[in-house]
Amino acid sequence: GAGVSQSPSNKVTEKGKDVELRCDPISGHTALYWYRQSLGQGLEFLIYFQGNSAPDKSGLPSDRFSAERTGGSVSTLTIQRTQQEDSAVYLCASSSSGQGARELFFGEGSRLTVL
Amino acid sequence: AQKVTQAQTEISVVEKEDVTLDCVYETRDTTYYLFWYKQPPSGELVFLIRRNSFDEQNEISGRYSWNFQKSTSSFNFTITASQVVDSAVYFCALIENSGYSTLTFGKGTMLLVSP
Repeated sequence: GAGVSQSPSNKVTEKGKDVELRCDPISGHTALYWYRQSLGQGLEFLIYFQGNSAPDKSGLPSDRFSAERTGGSVSTLTIQRTQQEDSAVYLCASSSSGQGARELFFGEGSRLTVL
Repeated sequence: AQKVTQAQTEISVVEKEDVTLDCVYETRDTTYYLFWYKQPPSGELVFLIRRNSFDEQNEISGRYSWNFQKSTSSFNFTITASQVVDSAVYFCALIENSGYSTLTFGKGTMLLVSP
């Protein structure tokens, strides 16, 4: 597609359930990022992929969070045993390079609500 | 460590007023990049500008202008003759050029332009 695509756009789940969020980056973009945006907290970095490898996982808040990327394209962020504090908008971004000069193109996000 | 501070949480102006959004950053790198992104109610972050640390020339794009001052570590954004469509959350961000540095965002400034 022309832009970064994320699904689902909205997800409501019960506490304790697992959720998967998907990101389809711009074709040809080698770098992919996941951020979390909580109310009043700005954007929090979660994980960065260069190709299929994740050189920086430092932002994942707990071991309940994991992410993978296959084929250098689609990425899935998985949250196990969701908690209410996981409620946020999860944003995915891609860029043509992992170097700082490149702008990030963002998707519209997946809004997760944990009841 | 890199850090971006946007001290203004929310600004309200009336249409046609000029407004300046402040951004102060911290970094130990001599080479870095600064960004501004706009997040309208739809949620998708829209890239506005990228500036590298060696270019302190101010930039103007239509009603938007940016003032980069290394001496005060600031990268302020001014909207001239604001319009209702400018209402959004604006994020300033920084990325260092070393290694796998990731984009660090400020907490954002919500701009509300009323008619």
